[in-house]
Amino acid sequence: DIQMTQSPSSLSASVGDRVTITCQASQDITNYLNWYQQKPGKAPKLLIYDASNLETGVPSRFSGSGSGTDFTFTISSLQPEDIATYYCQQYDNLPFTFGPGTKVDIK
Amino acid sequence: QVQLQESGPGLVKPSQTLSLTCTVSGGSISSGSYYWSWIRQPAGKGLEWIGRIYSSGSTNYNPSLKSRVTISVDTSKNQFSLKLSYVTAADTAVYYCARLYSGTGRFDIWGQGTMVTVSS
Repeated sequence: DIQMTQSPSSLSASVGDRVTITCQASQDITNYLNWYQQKPGKAPKLLIYDASNLETGVPSRFSGSGSGTDFTFTISSLQPEDIATYYCQQYDNLPFTFGPGTKVDIK
Repeated sequence: QVQLQESGPGLVKPSQTLSLTCTVSGGSISSGSYYWSWIRQPAGKGLEWIGRIYSSGSTNYNPSLKSRVTISVDTSKNQFSLKLSYVTAADTAVYYCARLYSGTGRFDIWGQGTMVTVSS
């Protein structure tokens, strides 16, 4: 299985701050990486697919980049409604695997 | 607008079989661009992909669960189902069904999730 790691595991930032989360794959997954947002008690929501493509309807303050084994997810200006846990997910190989998540809070 | 809804017992006894159904509304499960998947999440933990099925009945399972999992599809009812046998407390989790866009491996639509507790 491809192992996914994320850092940090949690972070606190102020409204308006730029927030960056990293995701690393245990082997080259080219750009076969997606990012999800999960709010408490809710299902995950797809934000970014193919490492850098914004899902329809997702605010442009969310972005993704990277290829190979190292990926970055960015919120350009943190909003109160962005409080959630964020997961990366690879689909280069079965089984699909997710990162452990990064919990984002407001400072 | 496609929606997914999980249903099934919220409590299962150890060693028994967990059975859940996902009903797809607002679109056809036979649409050629999608697989249909099950994903679970133990309380306070991360997401684990269980498996996927195509409308033809073709399946792929997570090797960690493969010996205990069966996913099936009923196109006439626009539903797909999960059976997980010989459950233990470790199978206690929120179970989600999700649509998997096969072209990009992305889970683009999710059900709300259903909590299943394994306990005697």
